[in-house]
Amino acid sequence: DGGITQSPKYLFRKEGQNVTLSCEQNLNHDAMYWYRQDPGQGLRLIYYSQIVNDFQKGDIAEGYSVSREKKESFPLTVTSAQKNPTAFYLCASLGQGPYNEQFFGPGTRLTVL
Amino acid sequence: AQRVTQPEKLLSVFKGAPVELKCNYSYSGSPELFWYVQYSRQRLQLLLRHISRESIKGFTADLNKGETSFHLKKPFAQEEDSAMYYCALLSGGYNKLIFGAGTRLAVHP
Repeated sequence: DGGITQSPKYLFRKEGQNVTLSCEQNLNHDAMYWYRQDPGQGLRLIYYSQIVNDFQKGDIAEGYSVSREKKESFPLTVTSAQKNPTAFYLCASLGQGPYNEQFFGPGTRLTVL
Repeated sequence: AQRVTQPEKLLSVFKGAPVELKCNYSYSGSPELFWYVQYSRQRLQLLLRHISRESIKGFTADLNKGETSFHLKKPFAQEEDSAMYYCALLSGGYNKLIFGAGTRLAVHP
C-alpha cells in the first residue's frame, strides 16, 4: 500500500515532555513537509526538507525539531519549548510531476495534558 | 508579504444551488495556485490547480490576476461536496505552500 503514513493517530503528552511524531513515505519523493493545522488558521509550515540530511525552518519552527536521515522518513519532535503544542499535525511529500502536488498523510492529533 | 485570504469560514447552501468559495492572494510575481479539499475522516488532497485549467468533480477555478483572486466555483452543489476547502499559493524555490484559513462548505438536502 503506497503513500504517506503518520503515527500515532492520537498522542497525549504531559507538559515538559518531548514527543516525536513519525512520518514515513514509500513514494520515493525527495521533498517532505510538516504542517500544523489549527481551527480557523489553516495549515502553517513548521519544517521542510528537500533532500536527505538537509532541512529548513518554516514559518513556525520554534519549539520543534526534525531530522532527515533517510529519504523515506521525516520525524518531527515537539519539544517542551513549544508553548502551545496541542494541534493537528500533517506531514506531506512533494510529487515528482510537473504540477507541484503535495501528498498528505492522515495526520497526528497531539494533546497536551 | 505573501498571503492567502479566504474570507468565509463557513458557506452553507442547499443541494443544487451554485457555489463560490472565495480566495484572494498577495504575491509579487506569477502565482501558482491550488485548491485542496478535506472530506470528513479523509486526508487532505489536491482538488485542482490553476495551471492545468481542469474541472474536477464539477469544480472550476479561474485565476484573475487583476483582482488577485482564485475563486472556486460549481454550478450545482451536491451533498457529497460538503468538506473543508483550502486555497494555497506556491511560494519560493522550495515548493512551499501558503494556505488560507479554509472554508467549510455545508451542502444541505
